[in-house]
Amino acid sequence: GQQLNQSPQSMFIQEGEDVSMNCTSSSIFNTWLWYKQDPGEGPVLLIALYKAGELTSNGRLTAQFGITRKDSFLNISASIPSDVGIYFCAGRYHTGANSKLTFGKGITLSVRP
Amino acid sequence: NAGVTQTPKFQVLKTGQSMTLQCAQDMNHEYMSWYRQDPGMGLRLIHYSVGAGITDQGEVPNGYNVSRSTTEDFPLRLLSAAPSQTSVYFCASSYRDRGFYEQYFGPGTRLTVT
Repeated sequence: GQQLNQSPQSMFIQEGEDVSMNCTSSSIFNTWLWYKQDPGEGPVLLIALYKAGELTSNGRLTAQFGITRKDSFLNISASIPSDVGIYFCAGRYHTGANSKLTFGKGITLSVRP
Repeated sequence: NAGVTQTPKFQVLKTGQSMTLQCAQDMNHEYMSWYRQDPGMGLRLIHYSVGAGITDQGEVPNGYNVSRSTTEDFPLRLLSAAPSQTSVYFCASSYRDRGFYEQYFGPGTRLTVT
């Protein structure tokens, strides 16, 4: 089946720094999504990408759907302490409405004040 | 709107016991799903439903049953709990025209099986 790769497992940055996270796959995906999970909570959708090459921003977050459709990245600019959490990428392979999501294993982000 | 609610928040079971994890949503979403989250494994789909009366298996369905008698509720039943089912369980829902992707997740149920 399709797998999404996220690495490293953990990232440590200083408050105010920018950070970039990648998500890659050996298969083509038709939709890419980025979720954030706060400690003890469920994941929350940050950004959804639907077209190859698409670049979308949501406040300090920017995500891009790779032109090969095999990768996506998420940038967080000017990080703040509340950016701490686990960031998951997710992809949808099939185009039908009933197709399921595949999730990456997540990257745990720590922000030092 | 309460969104997606899950009960209980925490549960401890002994091996062999059965229980039902509750999930409800008040957004009139057609699609609902159950995931489990294990350390270093991301989210894995257990079962899903595209509407009342319709359910199907996901990636890791063994040991779990679901039913969908109403649009709002999607309970997950553990038939005979095993230590391998120790995990955090999330329910999610979405509109039909958003498929399974723009999902709203509940806060999770943390289950320990001893």
